[in-house]
Amino acid sequence: AQSVSQHNHHVILSEAASLELGCNYSYGGTVNLFWYVQYPGQHLQLLLKYFSGDPLVKGIKGFEAEFIKSKFSFNLRKPSVQWSDTAEYFCAVNENDYKLSFGAGTTVTVRA
Amino acid sequence: SQTIHQWPATLVQPVGSPLSLECTVEGTSNPNLYWYRQAAGRGLQLLFYSVGIGQISSEVPQNLSASRPQDRQFILSSKKLLLSDSGFYLCARTDTTSTDTQYFGPGTRLTVL
Repeated sequence: AQSVSQHNHHVILSEAASLELGCNYSYGGTVNLFWYVQYPGQHLQLLLKYFSGDPLVKGIKGFEAEFIKSKFSFNLRKPSVQWSDTAEYFCAVNENDYKLSFGAGTTVTVRA
Repeated sequence: SQTIHQWPATLVQPVGSPLSLECTVEGTSNPNLYWYRQAAGRGLQLLFYSVGIGQISSEVPQNLSASRPQDRQFILSSKKLLLSDSGFYLCARTDTTSTDTQYFGPGTRLTVL
């Protein structure tokens, strides 16, 4: 079974700071990679995804992620965070059409 | 638009009582449907998925079961709840054009006392 690791459980930073959340997975074959975000009181939403092509993918709200196959990583970044980026962020991986494996999530708190 | 409804939004049940959580999907035909559980401090755990009416695959042997009586309806059930069944239950669907991407409903918060 796929294993997904998110390195940080809770990240606290100030507005305008840069954000990087780590994600590593265990499967060595072809994978699809996702970042989901859950804002307080809201649904889990898709932030961005990577299936193939350019390993640097851009998502909504200024987020981007880079797929590094040799490192089995798919780290999420944002150059300058806002208070509204306070949320829980989940990395997810699937090996086929049916199953998503999620990381434990990282809570990001942005202080105004 | 493709919408996912879940109800109830919150539920408090005693240990040993039955459970029925419902998920319905609008605006799509023959989606793949999923039940996940999100426990505090953990990621999402896939419980069941369904690729069609009456077709259920269980990922984790446990106290729960799932059924898909209609194309756009997915039900999560239990005959007798355990304390460990408490959690946040999410229903998800795939997009009709891409079965690789899942979209989530608002969830049901279940507390078993």
